[in-house]
Amino acid sequence: DAGVIQSPRHEVTEMGQEVTLRCKPISGHNSLFWYRQTMMRGLELLIYFNNNVPIDDSGMPEDRFSAKMPNASFSTLKIQPSEPRDSAVYFCASSFAGPTEAFFGQGTRLTVV
Amino acid sequence: KQEVTQIPAALSVPEGENLVLNCSFTDSAIYNLQWFRQDPGKGLTSLLLIQSSQREQTSGRLNASLDKSSGRSTLYIAASQPGDSATYLCAVSAAGNKLTFGGGTRVLVKP
Repeated sequence: DAGVIQSPRHEVTEMGQEVTLRCKPISGHNSLFWYRQTMMRGLELLIYFNNNVPIDDSGMPEDRFSAKMPNASFSTLKIQPSEPRDSAVYFCASSFAGPTEAFFGQGTRLTVV
Repeated sequence: KQEVTQIPAALSVPEGENLVLNCSFTDSAIYNLQWFRQDPGKGLTSLLLIQSSQREQTSGRLNASLDKSSGRSTLYIAASQPGDSATYLCAVSAAGNKLTFGGGTRVLVKP
């Protein structure tokens, strides 16, 4: 398996624009996670899905953030409208259900100017 | 709320020296603990996973211990090499395999 695949790797956008980040989890994994990494706050969980269903979105910072998982092999994280403080690296991770090893993608570095 | 702390924040050692990285957590009700490596501008690479029922886990030059009751884990890297230079992150998992991360230890191994 190619691992967790995220796209794009880098995104630069203007404040107010919509941003969509994409993730393809490892085949067979049924849990998917979105994390955000910043210098100030480190790595934080935004939302996670189990069997394509959102289970816990308490980490989503504002209503401007939304995430979907239409099928087992694809998830999106959308920010609309984007703001400069959303600038961060966004990671997607996947695992089997339960306390198993989590595997991370290479991340999307988002810059909002 | 679970809090994970990694001390020191940065570490510099000469090549060949053993590395000792510390991780502490406030809530002992964890499912497992995972150590990751992160190179600059890259994603996280899983190094070791220790289940809550285990005391240690080994992989090559890496050995990680877990003392759940005292809320501590230690990652040992034997005979460090310049290629070991990276940031090392520990994370503990709660229900649903949600991970809470420490701030990381940035390691520099000097040739």
